[in-house]
Amino acid sequence: QQPVQSPQAVILREGEDAVINCSSSKALYSVHWYRQKHGEAPVFLMILLKGGEQKGHEKISASFNEKKQQSSLYLTASQLSYSGTYFCGTALRPTSGTYKYIFGTGTRLKVLA
Amino acid sequence: DTAVSQTPKYLVTQMGNDKSIKCEQNLGHDTMYWYKQDSKKFLKIMFSYNNKELIINETVPNRFSPKSPDKAHLNLHINSLELGDSAVYFCASSSERVGGNTIYFGEGSWLTVV
Repeated sequence: QQPVQSPQAVILREGEDAVINCSSSKALYSVHWYRQKHGEAPVFLMILLKGGEQKGHEKISASFNEKKQQSSLYLTASQLSYSGTYFCGTALRPTSGTYKYIFGTGTRLKVLA
Repeated sequence: DTAVSQTPKYLVTQMGNDKSIKCEQNLGHDTMYWYKQDSKKFLKIMFSYNNKELIINETVPNRFSPKSPDKAHLNLHINSLELGDSAVYFCASSSERVGGNTIYFGEGSWLTVV
């Protein structure tokens, strides 16, 4: 039931681009993206609420394909500070009025100088 | 001021002991959560409370018991600790029943059972 992220890990050089995918087997209400540095709590990056919605945050953007139950995170011109583990968080459509919020499997990203 | 605070940050204890982790949020949120992050970094939801009412209880051993005295606090009590309970436990909160709002995490509590 946990959304699957791909790739599991990626290593980049500074300035390179990366795409992280999040795929769910269940219908999604919303998708959140978080980044977690080693030894720290996950930090919110952005939320996507509507199917097809794309959002941007500096050089990090994301898209949400509600029909395919997928979301992608795009990192362009990566910086050293982008290193960390990225999680998608998904709110599954409620069956009884309450949402269930679960996180994807995680993608470890390392940016090298 | 820390938005979501949890204590203790580090806890080392022996198998069989009982321990508690406390969590408080000053954001005025009405929903609070406990997540467990294992050594493989998977983040798994354990419990969710909305206005002191339990709304999600994942398949968690009944040795784990959440307690919410008010909507700003959600504590986690663990009985008869086992080696497999070693993990990082994150408390979190949001402003509604997990619709479109952001989840704010506490700094985490590193639990090591020896």
